[in-house]
Amino acid sequence: AQSVTQLDSHVSVSEGTPVLLRCNYSSSYSPSLFWYVQHPNKGLQLLLKYTSAATLVKGINGFEAEFKKSETSFHLTKPSAHMSDAAEYFCVVRSNAGNNRKLIWGLGTSLAVNP
Amino acid sequence: GAVVSQHPSRVICKSGTSVKIECRSLDFQATTMFWYRQFPKQSLMLMATSNEGSKATYEQGVEKDKFLINHASLTLSTLTVTSAHPEDSSFYICSATPSGGATQETQYFGPGTRLLVL
Repeated sequence: AQSVTQLDSHVSVSEGTPVLLRCNYSSSYSPSLFWYVQHPNKGLQLLLKYTSAATLVKGINGFEAEFKKSETSFHLTKPSAHMSDAAEYFCVVRSNAGNNRKLIWGLGTSLAVNP
Repeated sequence: GAVVSQHPSRVICKSGTSVKIECRSLDFQATTMFWYRQFPKQSLMLMATSNEGSKATYEQGVEKDKFLINHASLTLSTLTVTSAHPEDSSFYICSATPSGGATQETQYFGPGTRLLVL
């Protein structure tokens, strides 16, 4: 069975400071992992994904995430927060076993960026 | 590329009426589409997996007779909320996975449909 835990429901940072959004996963098989962002009144946008290639994944808008199998983690980071980064972020896991393409969603982390 | 649209973007209806929501993949074919429901400030809850030309697979606890899904073509899936009640008010989101190729790893999401049942 797969599951994903986002360790913080809310994170607040100052503009220009680093961002860390934590995610731990559980999967019986080699998983694919994703981070999605949801801005108010907009659709979900894929930030980045890990699919068994390089463990350090670079995404859009300066975000990156590192897949650490030993820690079962896939934390999202950004060196310097921008006001436009304020949004809801979802960590998502998908098992690569069989043809099941179902995604398992974390509960989300709300990121606030203060001026 | 990989754009998914939903129509309508928001709808208000009276209790007891039915509402149809369309999900279209605009520039790719999607054998599989997914329907999600999202409550305010909560995560997405998968309702059903829609496969072109066959019956949808519903998640546990989702009433298939209440939420009718039709996936008649490789670019269109519809969700009909039948006899809607105020508790059905929610944000409904669809996603689509391109048929074949490397991009089948990724689901592309529509912008969502906000349903308010009075």
